[in-house]
Amino acid sequence: GAGVSQSPSNKVTEKGKDVELRCDPISGHTALYWYRQSLGQGLEFLIYFQGNSAPDKSGLPSDRFSAERTGGSVSTLTIQRTQQEDSAVYLCASSSLPGNEQYFGPGTRLTVT
Amino acid sequence: AQSVTQPDIHITVSEGASLELRCNYSYGATPYLFWYVQSPGQGLQLLLKYFSGDTLVQGIKGFEAEFKRSQSSFNLRKPSVHWSDAAEYFCAVGADNAGNMLTFGGGTRLMVKP
Repeated sequence: GAGVSQSPSNKVTEKGKDVELRCDPISGHTALYWYRQSLGQGLEFLIYFQGNSAPDKSGLPSDRFSAERTGGSVSTLTIQRTQQEDSAVYLCASSSLPGNEQYFGPGTRLTVT
Repeated sequence: AQSVTQPDIHITVSEGASLELRCNYSYGATPYLFWYVQSPGQGLQLLLKYFSGDTLVQGIKGFEAEFKRSQSSFNLRKPSVHWSDAAEYFCAVGADNAGNMLTFGGGTRLMVKP
């Protein structure tokens, strides 16, 4: 079956613009995670969705970051007023249940100029 | 809060040689432990996981890892490295909350000499 997909694969944006990153998890997976991979910070957790429960936003670095998950499937991560320090690879993962292994998508490389 | 340390940032081994990548974790209870591999420009691929039970776990591509509670370690091993194993390897621990989000180590970049 299909794995986790993400789009776009690359995004270049100007400082101050808003961007939306999309994640399509593995069909049937109820748990969805966003992580960020950057040179300075390594791999860090951003936000977690489980079913229809309120998301765990404890990893979001600022209020410019938000995410939603529609219909328990596709998720969108939105970064408003992008800054250069937002440049990173944004990875999405899904899991059949929380606590099971997470399967990662290929990531979206965001470059803020 | 949990943490993961991978002491070796870079490792170079000759093709056919054995490999051990170190991982130490800090965690209050029995951890969920994972090893992932990332090739250049690619996402993370799960190599193996430890949840409970047998402390020696087998994974894909001939990798294995051993959970040692007394040493808070989960080292990754392979008896004979292939050139295609050159990549970055990440150890991770699952959080002790309902979400089980992962905390990653800094990664070890493996280079393989012909």
